[in-house]
Amino acid sequence: NAGVTQTPKFQVLKTGQSMTLQCAQDMNHNSMYWYRQDPGMGLRLIYYSASEGTTDKGEVPNGYNVSRLNKREFSLRLESAAPSQTSVYFCASSEAGVRGRVTDTQYFGPGTRLTVL
Amino acid sequence: EDKVVQSPLSLVVHEGDTVTLNCSYEVTNFRSLLWYKQEKKAPTFLFMLTSSGIEKKSGRLSSILDKKELFSILNITATQTGDSAVYLCAGGSYNTDKLIFGTGTRLQVFP
Repeated sequence: NAGVTQTPKFQVLKTGQSMTLQCAQDMNHNSMYWYRQDPGMGLRLIYYSASEGTTDKGEVPNGYNVSRLNKREFSLRLESAAPSQTSVYFCASSEAGVRGRVTDTQYFGPGTRLTVL
Repeated sequence: EDKVVQSPLSLVVHEGDTVTLNCSYEVTNFRSLLWYKQEKKAPTFLFMLTSSGIEKKSGRLSSILDKKELFSILNITATQTGDSAVYLCAGGSYNTDKLIFGTGTRLQVFP
């Protein structure tokens, strides 16, 4: 099992450009998440998806859109990149919602380091 | 508003020392407390503590959950340079599948 995979690993954009970060998991998890991590700020949730076909805003959704393409894949799109979006982006997944036991553990992908000039 | 607060922000120790990392939480309808280790890459899962499992141990690492006082500690005994990392604490709730993360404690272990 590859777990959670993300592409690309690194990306440099100019202000105003768009791009899509891809994430896939092979653990048959229900829930998927996108975080950004900035120095001193910890992990901040951008968007999450509790199941295929559903998405919800997290703490910092402005400037981003997401698509839960199927159970495996959850993409994050920057329509018009800004320097404030320079960050490391992590995708994560969890079983979540399994009855009878606590399934809060999230498993993280390797991250994408994005720089917006 | 739900929150998770970790202390200290950073810690510098020598190999062989024992360290204690703290995590206090205010999470509505609390369900779980998780610890992660983050080196120069993605966070990796260490422990999850719940009402039915308030104490966990794995090798030199151990953690307890105090649901009355709303905190958890992560202990690392006989520290090694490989323990150098940022340790993240997160709270889970019955209300949502999201986690609330603290900002982390940066541990540096010197030989």
